[in-house]
Amino acid sequence: GDSVTQMEGPVTLSEEAFLTINCTYTATGYPSLFWYVQYPGEGLQLLLKATKADDKGSNKGFEATYRKETTSFHLEKGSVQVSDSAVYFCALSDRNQFYFGTGTSLTVIP
Amino acid sequence: EADIYQTPRYLVIGTGKKITLECSQTMGHDKMYWYQQDPGMELHLIHYSYGVNSTEKGDLSSESTVSRIRTEHFPLTLESARPSHTSQYLCASSEYGKTGGTEAFFGQGTRLTVV
Repeated sequence: GDSVTQMEGPVTLSEEAFLTINCTYTATGYPSLFWYVQYPGEGLQLLLKATKADDKGSNKGFEATYRKETTSFHLEKGSVQVSDSAVYFCALSDRNQFYFGTGTSLTVIP
Repeated sequence: EADIYQTPRYLVIGTGKKITLECSQTMGHDKMYWYQQDPGMELHLIHYSYGVNSTEKGDLSSESTVSRIRTEHFPLTLESARPSHTSQYLCASSEYGKTGGTEAFFGQGTRLTVV
């Protein structure tokens, strides 16, 4: 069945460091891929998405490229800020079902 | 900003009480979901619906029940709350049948504590 595997955390970075959170997926069809962010005490918010191979999703300095050949959708940001501290979820949507990774907690220290 | 609302945001209730968690969306989405989120952050699908009068159980066995009498409303009910039900509950919705690009929109969650 379809599934998403993402890098386990927690991840702690200093402000302005480079961020990568790895995400790989398994799907039988042609899924859409997403990154969601969850701040403490809140629901999930869509951060970015990509709907087909080689698409790049981007938002707020975050980027992820849909790589069909490696079945990956890694999240990157060149320079993280304290305000980026949150939990990040990789997800896919295929045939109207959603599959979420287990979440990666990120803490950015000044 | 997503137009999906959950009430209450926080609830502390005694064992054995009946509770209903409310979820409403104004986007006209056919598909709605309930997730239980454990302290380790992982999301577990407990119920979903394809539309009015449609309800399905998710991957995680749950003692809760849901109903879908109106498109915009998807309440979750626990007939007899227990401490093991203490968790964060997240409601979400999405368009159904749209191929490619359809994302799920989440409410802010209900933090339930059963004492």
